[in-house]
Amino acid sequence: GDSVTQMEGPVTLSEEAFLTINCTYTATGYPSLFWYVQYPGEGLQLLLKATKADDKGSNKGFEATYRKETTSFHLEKGSVQVSDSAVYFCALSPSAGNNRKLIWGLGTSLAVNP
Amino acid sequence: SAVISQKPSRDICQRGTSLTIQCQVDSQVTMMFWYRQQPGQSLTLIATANQGSEATYESGFVIDKFPISRPNLTFSTLTVSNMSPEDSSIYLCSVGGTGTHSNQPQHFGDGTRLSIL
Repeated sequence: GDSVTQMEGPVTLSEEAFLTINCTYTATGYPSLFWYVQYPGEGLQLLLKATKADDKGSNKGFEATYRKETTSFHLEKGSVQVSDSAVYFCALSPSAGNNRKLIWGLGTSLAVNP
Repeated sequence: SAVISQKPSRDICQRGTSLTIQCQVDSQVTMMFWYRQQPGQSLTLIATANQGSEATYESGFVIDKFPISRPNLTFSTLTVSNMSPEDSSIYLCSVGGTGTHSNQPQHFGDGTRLSIL
């Protein structure tokens, strides 16, 4: 079945460091791919999405490119801030069916130190 | 995107009691989802709630433990029944995007943080 594998955390970086959180997936067809962020004590927010191969999603300085050839959707940011400290979830929406059940990665905790 | 309000935001409950969580959306939506997020874990889908029909439960979740109501297109409730410490989690309501395409993201409320003593 469809699955999402996410880089294990926690990840600890200094402010202004480069961030990469790896996400790979297994799915048939062309799923849609999402990154969600969960700040401490809050619910989940959609960070960015990509719906077809070679699409690049971007928001708040974060980017991720839908790579069909490597089945990946890695999250990157060129210069992280303390306020980026959160848990990041990669998720997939299968292309088949209309029930919109998301397949979730396990989440990667990011801590950014000043 | 839809604005989702969940109540209560947190609660501490006694073992054996039940708690009903409310989810209100500012627009009409066909599909609403209830998730559980255990401490330090990812999200697990409990059930999908469509207006006018019974909720569809995922494997490992049953209606007797997690009864769900969906009286209209903007509101749903999840009850956690006969609670035990293992039910201590964050419970999240989400809604799917409009339309019929799988590329529409889900949007989430802020969750209900539940602790069982």
